[in-house]
Amino acid sequence: QMQLVESGGGVVQPGTSLRLSCEASAVTFISSYAMHWVRQAPGKGLEWVAVISYDGTNTYYADSVKGRFTMSRDNSKHTVYLQMSSLRDDDTAIYYCARGQSPWIEQPTFVFWGQGTPVTVSS
Amino acid sequence: EIVLTQSPATLSLSPGERATLSCRASQSVSTFLAWYQQKPGQAPRLLIYDASNRATGIAARFSGSGSGTDFTLTISSLEPEDFAIYYCQQRSTWPTFGQGTRLDIK
Repeated sequence: QMQLVESGGGVVQPGTSLRLSCEASAVTFISSYAMHWVRQAPGKGLEWVAVISYDGTNTYYADSVKGRFTMSRDNSKHTVYLQMSSLRDDDTAIYYCARGQSPWIEQPTFVFWGQGTPVTVSS
Repeated sequence: EIVLTQSPATLSLSPGERATLSCRASQSVSTFLAWYQQKPGQAPRLLIYDASNRATGIAARFSGSGSGTDFTLTISSLEPEDFAIYYCQQRSTWPTFGQGTRLDIK
């Protein structure tokens, strides 16, 4: 059963940091594919956040998080990460990791999704 | 940024009826468009990619069409489990999503 399981969400204060993880059920499930983070604010639509190439050499970020979020991966642990810093109220959302269709960061379709981890930024 | 506009915002139909959902792009995305279904409390699920290709395991009643700026998702005969929110997403440039169409039971 191919699965993505996110963890690390929680309630934090504005200006602080948090690291999300997304673990795949098998190393082969993600090691050849780009991985993405997509978020959904409460009652709102979907917003793409970040991508990392299959080997971790390339990343790209939405303007709304550029300079504050960093995505990384450890294929030996079949896990991707999202390090979030300088968190703001409008970062409050469910954060989903999703597997792309190709190894590369460009032009993604989101083929598999995890169940998401909630992040609440509030004072 | 390419803006995707979905219509209608809400569609109320009965099981067995045909559903037609629209997605319009602010500039051409060729056929680089996907459709996702999201049920309450669940992650989105890929239905259609590259405008007209059904994803693995997706029922044949779901079909997609279009190119350039105008796209359609059609559900030929609604089943009770099809009532959900549907999103389109373009991958011609860095990905963006439409705001969603809620498909309600009439």
